[in-house]
Amino acid sequence: GDSVTQTEGQVALSEEDFLTIHCNYSASGYPALFWYVQYPGEGPQFLFRASRDKEKGSSRGFEATYNKEATSFHLQKASVQESDSAVYYCALSDTSSGSWQLIFGSGTQLTVMP
Amino acid sequence: EAGVTQSPRYAVLQEGQAVSFWCDPISGHDTLYWYQQPRDQGPQLLVYFRDEAVIDNSQLPSDRFSAVRPKGTNSTLKIQSAKQGDTATYLCASSLFPNTGQLYFGEGSKLTVL
Repeated sequence: GDSVTQTEGQVALSEEDFLTIHCNYSASGYPALFWYVQYPGEGPQFLFRASRDKEKGSSRGFEATYNKEATSFHLQKASVQESDSAVYYCALSDTSSGSWQLIFGSGTQLTVMP
Repeated sequence: EAGVTQSPRYAVLQEGQAVSFWCDPISGHDTLYWYQQPRDQGPQLLVYFRDEAVIDNSQLPSDRFSAVRPKGTNSTLKIQSAKQGDTATYLCASSLFPNTGQLYFGEGSKLTVL
């Protein structure tokens, strides 16, 4: 079945550091890709999406580019802030299969120190 | 606009007891999802509805879990004879069809089974 892999379980940075969180996917069709963010005690929040090869999604200074050849959608931010501390989830939705469900990765805990 | 509302926020049970979780989606959203999120894991879909119809319940442990959405608005997820392995946060989300992948999540109901 379709799946999403996030290799980093935890990332610790200092304010103004550059962030990369890696996301790779496996899908039989041509999925849409997403990033969600979850703060403590809250449900996940949609960050942005990309639905075709080489498309860049972005929001709140975060961005990721759909790479079909590498099956990747890595999250980046040029300068992180303490308020960015949260769990980040990569997800896919393979609508070509007729399903509208989101499949999430295992998440990456980002901790930003002042 | 009110967000997705879930109750109760917390539940603590002994094995074998039953519990029901309630979800009020965003007004006008025709699609409703229930996800299970074990500690330190990504959300995993249990079941989803479009209006009052179940679209996909293939991941719902049908022998002990049930979910209904009788009028196509609020929904209830029930667990009978809870097990320790059911310990998780149960997230409700809603969206409009056709779904672009932007789901709106509630804060979740955190279940602990002792």
